[in-house]
Amino acid sequence: NAGVTQTPKFRVLKTGQSMTLLCAQDMNHEYMYWYRQDPGMGLRLIHYSVGEGTTAKGEVPDGYNVSRLKKQNFLLGLESAAPSQTSVYFCASSYLLRSNQPQHFGDGTRLSIL
Amino acid sequence: GENVEQHPSTLSVQEGDSAVIKCTYSDSASNYFPWYKQELGKRPQLIIDIRSNVGEKKDQRIAVTLNKTAKHFSLHITETQPEDSAVYFCAAHTGGGGADGLTFGKGTHLIIQP
Repeated sequence: NAGVTQTPKFRVLKTGQSMTLLCAQDMNHEYMYWYRQDPGMGLRLIHYSVGEGTTAKGEVPDGYNVSRLKKQNFLLGLESAAPSQTSVYFCASSYLLRSNQPQHFGDGTRLSIL
Repeated sequence: GENVEQHPSTLSVQEGDSAVIKCTYSDSASNYFPWYKQELGKRPQLIIDIRSNVGEKKDQRIAVTLNKTAKHFSLHITETQPEDSAVYFCAAHTGGGGADGLTFGKGTHLIIQP
């Protein structure tokens, strides 16, 4: 009963380094999302995908790239990490959200950029 | 795009009393309104949601009301218990055009006083 799995759980980077966060879901969901959560800001949508091979920008996409090569995986990349990207990153998935199905969240990745 | 305002940011109530958290949204096309509970260091968990064709929904001690005309919705928790202490987020989904996914409020820290 894995649901949505995120790796890694924690990571510390230096400014300018790159890394990829992995999200995997085993519920055969079409939609996948990446959010960031900062104190006092709630969750903000970075990028999302409505199906394999498709991606789209959310509210705060700058500095991030994503890929959805397989339906079950959604990757979030930071090409050149900046301290402003220190945050907790949550991945979520759902069936077609237009059908109003709830989103299921992963446990989050806590990322610190020094 | 959608904008969701949530109040209050902190709410302290005595155990056994009721708690009410209110949210307003800006996009009249929004049609789905979930509420999430997030305990410290954990993932957001869906606790209740409401569709735009329904005015009220109840699940045991939790209820949500929606006023489409005024564009606001509220979470009501009755007979509060210590385990209700958490951060609660409201969200709205427009379901088309612009950024898909959910737009979240900034959260309410609910504190249950023994």
